[in-house]
Amino acid sequence: GDKVKQSPSALSLQEGTNSALRCNFSIAATTVQWFLQNPRGSLINLFYLVPGTKENGRLKSAFDSKESYSTLHIRDAQLEDSGTYFCAACQNYNQGKLIFGQGTKLSIKP
Amino acid sequence: GPKVLQIPSHQIIDMGQMVTLNCDPVSNHLYFYWYKQILGQQMEFLVNFYNGKVMEKSKLFKDQFSVERPDGSYFTLKIQPTALEDSAVYFCASSPGTGANERLFFGHGTKLSVL
Repeated sequence: GDKVKQSPSALSLQEGTNSALRCNFSIAATTVQWFLQNPRGSLINLFYLVPGTKENGRLKSAFDSKESYSTLHIRDAQLEDSGTYFCAACQNYNQGKLIFGQGTKLSIKP
Repeated sequence: GPKVLQIPSHQIIDMGQMVTLNCDPVSNHLYFYWYKQILGQQMEFLVNFYNGKVMEKSKLFKDQFSVERPDGSYFTLKIQPTALEDSAVYFCASSPGTGANERLFFGHGTKLSVL
């Protein structure tokens, strides 16, 4: 089965609302990274996490290694937030071998 | 933020030919990676590279694949010969280090179409 499972697979939101994306891990993840793949295909690194939380503007992410999950919260969604969000876990600080989830396709509507 | 450049952005090639994908990693980064993404699906790790050597490769990194970074120039992925199933978007990434310095920065990808 999937080692990194993301939910939901797709989400449609009204501009200005909030959302929460989640990743569950069936591996012993030591670090987590969140990426946004924009409609042009570029991958943007949003967060690099050891267990704990980080915040950057309207984005907030948490990683709980004991419970094996990570979340990404988007506050006051904007049109430019549209794209596919990927979480990726590193196992045992394994030299950049990230295991990606299937992604959450987020569509923001005006 | 730090930028990883990939050249070309799109490559069309006939099956059986050789192709080289080029990556210009972030200048002070020491670790380099190639990932493969098919049709907008999840990314799959291919290989990582440090100090002139492959550190680890996945089962997707077939014998026809090779990587090198001669004299600090481009970090390249060569496929020889190509097969139809090699059609995908190939992403290069780099990181300053490993462990706590393992934040990966990705290029925009090279879309490889094998005909």
